[in-house]
Parts: sequence; C-alpha cells; structure tokens
Amino acid sequence: GDSVTQMEGPVTLSEEAFLTINCTYTATGYPSLFWYVQYPGEGLQLLLKATKADDKGSNKGFEATYRKETTSFHLEKGSVQVSDSAVYFCALKDNGGSNYKLTFGKGTLLTVNP
Amino acid sequence: DGGITQSPKYLFRKEGQNVTLSCEQNLNHDAMYWYRQDPGQGLRLIYYSQIVNDFQKGDIAEGYSVSREKKESFPLTVTSAQKNPTAFYLCASSIDKGGRGADTQYFGPGTRLTVL
Repeated sequence: GDSVTQMEGPVTLSEEAFLTINCTYTATGYPSLFWYVQYPGEGLQLLLKATKADDKGSNKGFEATYRKETTSFHLEKGSVQVSDSAVYFCALKDNGGSNYKLTFGKGTLLTVNP
Repeated sequence: DGGITQSPKYLFRKEGQNVTLSCEQNLNHDAMYWYRQDPGQGLRLIYYSQIVNDFQKGDIAEGYSVSREKKESFPLTVTSAQKNPTAFYLCASSIDKGGRGADTQYFGPGTRLTVL
C-alpha cells in the first residue's frame, strides 16, 4: 500500500537558517504530492503541491521538487522565520482510478528561535 | 468568505455518551472527509463522502458514524463504541473530479474532543 516517511523531529533552528525536511514515499500508482502546515491548535493548511515528476511546488519561500527517481519530495526554505514554527506534514494521493484517500506522514515539528 | 467551519472547537464528553461534531463548507465541494489526529501521528481517515447520501468507510471507521444529507454538511458522531475517542478531529473537503478521484483537500480548524 501507499506510505509516506518523513524525518522525525523535533527540528530546532535559529532564525535565517536553512531548512530541509525530508520526505520519501511509496505508491503503487502515480501520486500527487503535498506539504501541509499546522500551526498550534489549528487545522491543516495546504503549503504547496506537485502533481507529476519534476514539478516544483513553491509558496511563501518554501519549495519542494517531485523526484520520481528517488521517490522523494523534500521541503526546503532558504531562511526560516520564527513565524514558520509549526508541524509540517508530507502527504500523497494516488491518482490511479477514482482514489480519494490522502496518505500522511507522521509530521515534523519545527521550532525557530529568534 | 468561503471555507470550512467546524464546531465546537473544544468538546468534553463523559464515557458512554455519543457526541456529534459539526462540519460545514461553503466551497461547493462535492467530497468531504473526516480525519483523526493523535499526538505524534499523522492523520488517519475515518469516513469520506463523494456525494450527497453516500459515504465510505476509511481506515478507522469503527465506533464512528456519519451522514451526508446536504452537500454543505458532513457531521460525525463519535459513539460509545469508540474505545479511545480523545483526539483532534479534522474535517476536509475537495472538488470531485468525476471518476478520476478528488482534487486537493482543504481542511477546517478542527475540534478537540476530550473524554472525561
């Protein structure tokens, strides 16, 4: 079945540091890939997505490239801010057939200190 | 403003009681979903609905029930049969791509249920 593995946290960085959160996946079909962000006490917000190999999703300075050869979708940001402190979830949706299910990783807690 | 609303934000329940969580969306989305989130874990799918008057079990449907009488609404009932109901519950919705699955899911703010 489908699965998503993301690096375990917590990750603690200083403001303006470079961020990488690793995400790899296993899928039987041709998935779309997503990064969601969850701020404390809130629901999930879509951060970025990519629907096919070599696509790059980007938003608010965050980027992730869909790498089919390494089955990866790593999240990066060049200079993090305190306001980026949150839990980040990698997810996939298998596009084979009429699939509605999102498969999530366990989440990575990011804390950015001033 | 379009969006997904969930109520209440916090809910307390005594053991043995059923409780219903509300989810409403005004995005005109066809598909709606319920997820459960536990600390340190990803989200797990409870139920989803592709269309009014139809719904499907997800990975952890036992002890839960849903209805979809209106396109905008997808309430979740946590029954007394759910052995460990304390969790954060998230509702989501998406456009249905008509046989090609669903488009991107958008989430509500969540309801935190605590069993006393």
